[in-house]
Amino acid sequence: AQTVTQSQPEMSVQEAETVTLSCTYDTSESDYYLFWYKQPPSRQMILVIRQEAYKQQNATENRFSVNFQKAAKSFSLKISDSQLGDAAMYFCAEGFSSNTGKLIFGQGTTLQVKP
Amino acid sequence: KAGVTQTPRYLIKTRGQQVTLSCSPISGHRSVSWYQQTPGQGLQFLFEYFSETQRNKGNFPGRFSGRQFSNSRSEMNVSTLELGDSALYLCASSSWTSGETQYFGPGTRLLVL
Repeated sequence: AQTVTQSQPEMSVQEAETVTLSCTYDTSESDYYLFWYKQPPSRQMILVIRQEAYKQQNATENRFSVNFQKAAKSFSLKISDSQLGDAAMYFCAEGFSSNTGKLIFGQGTTLQVKP
Repeated sequence: KAGVTQTPRYLIKTRGQQVTLSCSPISGHRSVSWYQQTPGQGLQFLFEYFSETQRNKGNFPGRFSGRQFSNSRSEMNVSTLELGDSALYLCASSSWTSGETQYFGPGTRLLVL
């Protein structure tokens, strides 16, 4: 079974500091996509960043970047210059070209940002 | 463009009843996926509709069903509600060819008493 694992249920970071959230996945598919979503207390899922598995270059979106290690099946999210508004639950997710419309999510990491 | 909308936002039902939830995708998006989110099981995929056809489904009992209309709006129905069906139901839309990003609605919080 395809699984996504987030081993850190909770993380905390000081405002303006950097934090890295971990994610590993287990798939035999060759064509897949990886995502990080953010879910604040409003429960609205917001896309943070996306990575295509065939791309070697790590995706970056402003203060958010990923470290995609394909051989290790690892996909971590780095948040730089953390802001109070970054406090949320973060979900790692995997999608597949062969399994349309379905994302497999990790259990989530709750990020606390301390002022 | 307007985002994904879901109605109603909150719902309280009793065991044995049925419920219908609605999702309107982003304009131009033809794929709608549904997920159930609970504290114990996390986010689980229910099914996906594309061009009025169910194209993929997860491991949920037949009490969970859905449909999609010609304007891409989708509904999901849960019959014979059980206490364990209490959850946040999220829908997401995408301009799906393969691997396209899913954009989520705000969810419908269902409480079954």
